[in-house]
Amino acid sequence: DAKTTQPNSMESNEEEPVHLPCNHSTISGTDYIHWYRQLPSQGPEYVIHGLTSNVNNRMASLAIAEDRKSSTLILHRATLRDAAVYYCILRDGGGVYNQGGKLIFGQGTELSVKP
Amino acid sequence: GAVVSQHPSRVICKSGTSVKIECRSLDFQATTMFWYRQFPKQSLMLMATSNEGSKATYEQGVEKDKFLINHASLTLSTLTVTSAHPEDSSFYICSARRGLGEAFFGQGTRLTVV
Repeated sequence: DAKTTQPNSMESNEEEPVHLPCNHSTISGTDYIHWYRQLPSQGPEYVIHGLTSNVNNRMASLAIAEDRKSSTLILHRATLRDAAVYYCILRDGGGVYNQGGKLIFGQGTELSVKP
Repeated sequence: GAVVSQHPSRVICKSGTSVKIECRSLDFQATTMFWYRQFPKQSLMLMATSNEGSKATYEQGVEKDKFLINHASLTLSTLTVTSAHPEDSSFYICSARRGLGEAFFGQGTRLTVV
């Protein structure tokens, strides 16, 4: 399984942008980069995913390096509700249309948000 | 709203008994579901891939006879922890993917074996 490396923890101030880095130097050409987050005592929640181009949605933006060996999840204005563990995951085991591709979780980054 | 639902959310059982956890995809059909286990302060560990109409695929080190998985329909997978012991106490989470990309996770089941 292609591996990702993230800082164990990060701190942010409320209403400021947050940049969460992820290194994935062994990524293969068909691996999608997924981000999920997990609030305490809940199942993970999808945040965003991408392949090569930068991606934006309501929750966040995903900036992918040109060589795809790293990516950054950007929360534009952190709120207290964004405090969670953020996981960067490379989707394993299949192409775009493979419903069976499993997600292997690393340790993630625990984001704390200060008021 | 939730598209993958787990039941129960919490369960306490006596050592030696079996516990069944259900995972349902609410508004889509899932030929494949995934079961994870998470210990406190740790990441999710994939236990097995549940395949509708066929045997589950277990990850290395996961006991097949202890963690029985049944995926009898396109919307329901069950995980049964057999002969539970205190070391099986954990947070169990299921997941299913609807079409492309995004995976949905259940809210998790907190199992405590006493």
